[in-house]
Amino acid sequence: QSVLTQPPSVSAAPGQRVTISCSGSSSNIGNNYVSWYQHLPGTAPKLLIYGNNKRPSGIPDRFSGSKSGTSATLGITGLQTGDEADYYCGTWDNSLSVVFGGGTKLTVL
Amino acid sequence: QLQLQESGPGLLKPSETLSLTCTVSGGSVSITNYYWGWIRQPPGKGLEWIGSMYHSGSTYYNPSLKSRLTISVDTSKNQFSLKVTSVTAADTAVYYCARHRLLAPARVAENWFDPWGQGTLVTVSS
Repeated sequence: QSVLTQPPSVSAAPGQRVTISCSGSSSNIGNNYVSWYQHLPGTAPKLLIYGNNKRPSGIPDRFSGSKSGTSATLGITGLQTGDEADYYCGTWDNSLSVVFGGGTKLTVL
Repeated sequence: QLQLQESGPGLLKPSETLSLTCTVSGGSVSITNYYWGWIRQPPGKGLEWIGSMYHSGSTYYNPSLKSRLTISVDTSKNQFSLKVTSVTAADTAVYYCARHRLLAPARVAENWFDPWGQGTLVTVSS
């Protein structure tokens, strides 16, 4: 049981927009920055978003992040088949630990 | 370009000690404001943070694993290591090392992992 709650799966057609939610509490998301990761099987996870809504160099602006209260959202526009992956949110919990969501599998139909 | 590579035994028996090393190239483990972390992914499950260490010795551990964990940093070899004692089948996972940006505790804690190593599968089986 993960501390942060994500939907197990989402799907959308190529070219469409999809959002992935991440729900937490005041001890984690509510008072700390959120990061998002893309994980393709067999590869190293990749940082997509940090500081709630900042993109590292090289991450296209099709990926965006936002936070409101104790929830965060990852948005992906202009979906491509190469975006099929597992997506994880992560943040700091005030119990002095890093917490991740359970992951969301994105299917591009 | 910073790169990380995990190494260590891939097969352990129950009750043995898991020992993994992460070799850092293209940068120094002594860099300021970055910790060095370990994360694992059991088969069919999500990511689980194990722990992180700063080169000066400050360490944070996952509370559920803390009693069995040791993370260390060797600045002379530009490596950091993970030890997990008394392993069971539940410790079977792909283990990743990563550079960890951690500014916490803070009014608003900042925390992210980048880059990650490719991961190494550790199987615990009798």
